[in-house]
Amino acid sequence: QAVVTQEPSLTVSPGGTVTLTCGSSTGAVTSGHYPHWLQQKPGQAPKTLIYSTNNKFSWTPARFSGSVLRGKAALTLSGAQPDDEAEYYCLLSYSGAGVVFGGGTKLTVL
Amino acid sequence: QLVESGGGLVKPGGSLRLSCAASGFTFSNAWMSWVRQAPGKGLEWVGRIISKTDGGATDYAAPVKGRFTISRDDSKNTLYLQMNSLKTEDTAVYYCGDFTMGVWGQGTLVTVSS
Repeated sequence: QAVVTQEPSLTVSPGGTVTLTCGSSTGAVTSGHYPHWLQQKPGQAPKTLIYSTNNKFSWTPARFSGSVLRGKAALTLSGAQPDDEAEYYCLLSYSGAGVVFGGGTKLTVL
Repeated sequence: QLVESGGGLVKPGGSLRLSCAASGFTFSNAWMSWVRQAPGKGLEWVGRIISKTDGGATDYAAPVKGRFTISRDDSKNTLYLQMNSLKTEDTAVYYCGDFTMGVWGQGTLVTVSS
């Protein structure tokens, strides 16, 4: 089974920019892995922010964007707010093998 | 829009069936997944059932394959997870959802303990 890797933790200053990445043990991540990004705050259910690489929902703040960058999926947060402090998970889809979540990135806004 | 039920305490080797009731969206078009989260741990995909119009196939993660079965009743807008031969490591909050539609339940706790 593939392993999906994320930074365990990152810190960003209020108003700053940070990029979270999501890699695959099988090789380069492409849009064909349909990368998704989910946000989870303590005690809450996860919430999908980005689907299929770079698509947003109506509830996704404009400061979040998704991409594939140098063989990894990426979530960029521009203009971080204290409310963005949370755990962020990526997931990748593998043809014939289902879905794998990354281990999550704990984002601190400080 | 998604409400899970059926969680609880069960002994190792036992069985449990979770339900996930959907409302407010076209459930029959959804590719529904079960995802779990052990205490203090990250999210783990359990399995998925795709829409009947797309074939209705199921996929499972390796740790649950052969023990868990996902099914759906589109006439009742309900998703199910039948869990057999439960192990202590299956203890987790179980969420149902379609992450591409962006719909998630609030989760139901399953505790496997003697």
